[in-house]
Amino acid sequence: AQSVTQLGSHVSVSEGALVLLRCNYSSSVPPYLFWYVQYPNQGLQLLLKYTTGATLVKGINGFEAEFKKSETSFHLTKPSAHMSDAAEYFCAVSESFGNEKLTFGTGTRLTIIP
Amino acid sequence: DSGVTQTPKHLITATGQRVTLRCSPRSGDLSVYWYQQSLDQGLQFLIQYYNGEERAKGNILERFSAQQFPDLHSELNLSSLELGDSALYFCASSGYRDPSTDTQYFGPGTRLTVL
Repeated sequence: AQSVTQLGSHVSVSEGALVLLRCNYSSSVPPYLFWYVQYPNQGLQLLLKYTTGATLVKGINGFEAEFKKSETSFHLTKPSAHMSDAAEYFCAVSESFGNEKLTFGTGTRLTIIP
Repeated sequence: DSGVTQTPKHLITATGQRVTLRCSPRSGDLSVYWYQQSLDQGLQFLIQYYNGEERAKGNILERFSAQQFPDLHSELNLSSLELGDSALYFCASSGYRDPSTDTQYFGPGTRLTVL
């Protein structure tokens, strides 16, 4: 069975500082990995995803994530935080084409300090 | 705007009642997924339909059922509602064609409050 662990339910960073949100996964097969963002009272928006190929994935709004198989990690980073980045971030895993259900982590609420 | 629409946006009802949530997928997407987001359970996969057929089942209660119609819209039916069913219910859709490009796009959700 697949699972996702997001370390830190709340993360606060200063505006302009590095954002690092941690995600570790467990999967019995090579995983597909995703980061979604949820703004207050809104649905989930895909930030980026890893399926195959290049392990450093670039997404929208300046975010990127690196798939590290040896560490079973898919941490999300952004070099310089903006106030507009304040939201809840979810890491998710799916196992394969044909078994696409997303298993989500518990989410990390990102607060940006002015 | 993801292109996935969900109605209604908010629903307030009483325990024991039955409600229907509706989802229209993005144009051309054959697969529809339902997820529940609650404070105690987080985001959980409920069920997937592909081109009218049930494809995968997750943590969906027996009191809940879903279907996908020929025009590809989907409905999630929740019956004998309990206080604990209060949650945000999301629908997502995907093309289900190419795993390297397929993505689940989420609708804005329906917030269900059971009083």
